[in-house]
Amino acid sequence: DVKVTQSSRYLVKRTGEKVFLECVQDMDHENMFWYRQDPGLGLRLIYFSYDVKMKEKGDIPEGYSVSREKKERFSLILESASTNQTSMYLCASRYGTSGTYEQYFGPGTRLTVT
Amino acid sequence: KNEVEQSPQNLTAQEGEFITINCSYSVGISALHWLQQHPGGGIVSLFMLSSGKKKHGRLIATINIQEKHSSLHITASHPRDSAVYICAVPPRGGSQGNLIFGKGTKLSVKP
Repeated sequence: DVKVTQSSRYLVKRTGEKVFLECVQDMDHENMFWYRQDPGLGLRLIYFSYDVKMKEKGDIPEGYSVSREKKERFSLILESASTNQTSMYLCASRYGTSGTYEQYFGPGTRLTVT
Repeated sequence: KNEVEQSPQNLTAQEGEFITINCSYSVGISALHWLQQHPGGGIVSLFMLSSGKKKHGRLIATINIQEKHSSLHITASHPRDSAVYICAVPPRGGSQGNLIFGKGTKLSVKP
């Protein structure tokens, strides 16, 4: 079974702090994604990566950066956390670039910025 | 860019009822995904389909490519089916690229 893990289920940070969210997958997938999920807005893509050291902006990249130094690990970084970044963050991985491949999700990190 | 509409937004059912959740999209696609998200956050893939019908246990997914519409049916619903159901499609038709997600249908099944 594909397993996608995220470093924390719940996280509370203060405004202005630098926040790291880690995601690890164990199936050698090329593609990895970071989403945020907010009530009434659904899942929105922040960044994705199709290979090591490669990244593409999604729909809402402002205030975020990412890092992919190893194939299995994709990190989301909030350079200076703000209260409007309070949200559920979900990581996902997928074998290929096509939308016909199944996407596997991590359990999510609920981040609260105070 | 593909637009995805799901209906209803919220659905409450009694245990044993037959349930239908609908998904419409605006641009032709080669595959559509149905996902399930339980309280607590984790999302699992239920189906990926490009034509016709797929069945897994009490869940059935159908798609009509010409009408750009898909339905997810649950037969003999049970309280453990309570979850948010999300449909997702490729953003610009075809099969390439990341997925565009519907806003989800929140299902609550009462005993």
